[in-house]
Amino acid sequence: GESVGLHLPTLSVQEGDNSIINCAYSNSASDYFIWYKQESGKGPQFIIDIRSNMDKRQGQRVTVLLNKTVKHLSLQIAATQPGDSAVYFCAETNTGGFKTIFGAGTRLFVKA
Amino acid sequence: EADIYQTPRYLVIGTGKKITLECSQTMGHDKMYWYQQDPGMELHLIHYSYGVNSTEKGDLSSESTVSRIRTEHFPLTLESARPSHTSQYLCASSEFGEEAFFGQGTRLTVV
Repeated sequence: GESVGLHLPTLSVQEGDNSIINCAYSNSASDYFIWYKQESGKGPQFIIDIRSNMDKRQGQRVTVLLNKTVKHLSLQIAATQPGDSAVYFCAETNTGGFKTIFGAGTRLFVKA
Repeated sequence: EADIYQTPRYLVIGTGKKITLECSQTMGHDKMYWYQQDPGMELHLIHYSYGVNSTEKGDLSSESTVSRIRTEHFPLTLESARPSHTSQYLCASSEFGEEAFFGQGTRLTVV
């Protein structure tokens, strides 16, 4: 079940370094996974997604990796920039079902 | 740019008042959601809808209610606001099996 009142874990990286944000998902039946970025004062925005028939998907500077064996999802950001500072949420859903489950989120700080 | 809108963006209201937070989307999505999020904290699903005349409670207990009379509109109502309702409320919509689009949120303060 979900945690209530849980403060977000924090990842601090130097500008230009690569960032890796991890997420453990809960439902073995989930077949669609999404990463969202939430900047201060805004709603979450879609970054990249992956379906369960894939292990890896690349976008512009971002890569998502899916390990179904251990129910693990990761987001890799290459050459992290100050504008990448935000909270990142993973989400899982079952395309045959109706509900999306959000992970706890990770706050990324980028040091200039 | 996502076509989902929430009003108001900020609201300060006294205890005991009735309030309605508005959410509208122009994408024709059947699924709509309300999330509650305290600063620096997780997203908690409080209500969702599969389509017109469908509403379900989410995972986090909430004293709010919702309605879905039109596809594009999913308002959230608090009959009697309390300081414990102070939070950010985020509305979202999606197609089945696709990513959700979020509004900018309503930051509610009950004094």
